[in-house]
Amino acid sequence: NAGVTQTPKFRVLKTGQSMTLLCAQDMNHEYMYWYRQDPGMGLRLIHYSVGEGTTAKGEVPDGYNVSRLKKQNFLLGLESAAPSQTSVYFCASSPWDGELFFGEGSRLTVL
Amino acid sequence: GENVEQHPSTLSVQEGDSAVIKCTYSDSASNYFPWYKQELGKRPQLIIDIRSNVGEKKDQRIAVTLNKTAKHFSLHITETQPEDSAVYFCAATLSGGSYIPTFGRGTSLIVHP
Repeated sequence: NAGVTQTPKFRVLKTGQSMTLLCAQDMNHEYMYWYRQDPGMGLRLIHYSVGEGTTAKGEVPDGYNVSRLKKQNFLLGLESAAPSQTSVYFCASSPWDGELFFGEGSRLTVL
Repeated sequence: GENVEQHPSTLSVQEGDSAVIKCTYSDSASNYFPWYKQELGKRPQLIIDIRSNVGEKKDQRIAVTLNKTAKHFSLHITETQPEDSAVYFCAATLSGGSYIPTFGRGTSLIVHP
């Protein structure tokens, strides 16, 4: 039982490049989330999904897109990376009314 | 939407002292209040949670209290130890519809030996 797995764990991009972060969970959770964590800003919700085939915007969605084609996977895409997107990204999953289980995080640097 | 304020942003205590972190929320419909601990370089992990039908919950040295009337909840850590040093996040979750938690900005707790 791996829980929540994020790949890659580290990535360096140049401004304007694109990339996709993959999140996979094996707990059969309906809800999945993508957060970014910046110093002093806590955990800010980018996008979330309440089930397979659904996505919704969170607090800071601009510059990101997501997809949830399979229940266990939630992808976060950056179409044209900007330095402001340098951050640590956490994926999480949860049952409808319970604890969030976080992945280990993905550190992204945009030069 | 929900808004969660968390204080203090930094808390420094001596080993053995107690630590209290407070959060306020804006939406009276919120009914689930978890606390997460994030050690340096690690992922956040749940340490304790409380639901709106309970006023207090304890688990060994940690406890959470909830005042629904005042819309605030607090984390209490007694007999602090150096391994309690971490960032602590509170969250509030609205009932009904989408179940999306809103996090506070975090409190960096430093326990000095």
